Amino acid sequence: DADVTQTPRNRITKTGKRIMLECSQTKGHDRMYWYRQDPGLGLRLIYYSFDVKDINKGEISDGYSVSRQAQAKFSLSLESAIPNQTALYFCATSDSRTAGWETQYFGPGTRLLVL
Amino acid sequence: AQSVAQPEDQVNVAEGNPLTVKCTYSVSGNPYLFWYVQYPNRGLQFLLKYITGDNLVKGSYGFEAEFNKSQTSFHLKKPSALVSDSALYFCARILTGGGNKLTFGTGTQLKVEL
Repeated sequence: DADVTQTPRNRITKTGKRIMLECSQTKGHDRMYWYRQDPGLGLRLIYYSFDVKDINKGEISDGYSVSRQAQAKFSLSLESAIPNQTALYFCATSDSRTAGWETQYFGPGTRLLVL
Repeated sequence: AQSVAQPEDQVNVAEGNPLTVKCTYSVSGNPYLFWYVQYPNRGLQFLLKYITGDNLVKGSYGFEAEFNKSQTSFHLKKPSALVSDSALYFCARILTGGGNKLTFGTGTQLKVEL
């Protein structure tokens, strides 16, 4: 979905390096999420933010941190990358004003390789 | 634990034939269920969701899913498969306990052949 963009799309880094993955959205949604996808494991939630001042850990937050710089921007950082953080990372957004349980809309993903 | 399961890693079907991609959910928690599709080198795209109401849910690209409470299933179906339907399909559900967090199945690779 072009309304949710992620940069970079691909990244190769070395063990111990600090890297940041960025997500921006023009959908006007208040809620944003970071997931990682590993083959055979589906998607797992890393962190989520329901508004600029609300940050929450997901099921696999260890080794990661996030920053919600504005309603439209949500960054994921790996403070000291390790090889088992090699994965496909997705950002998603949703709108809490939606009646019922809102749909999440995903960015194109960032493929990260940690050597 | 609240979860969804996709029992098939891969499903193969001939173009023009009906397709089914299976999903079952654990009884605990709410049965708010979603289907997403991932095309190669793309993000996940929303197909459909069941929250309440009619057990047969119609979604994008001609897909539909049937919520079956007695069998705790939410299988994705399409009457006539296209080669372009070949993709990775994920079932997901809302986790209760606050918020709009999703838990995903492990995914099913659908391959539609001529």
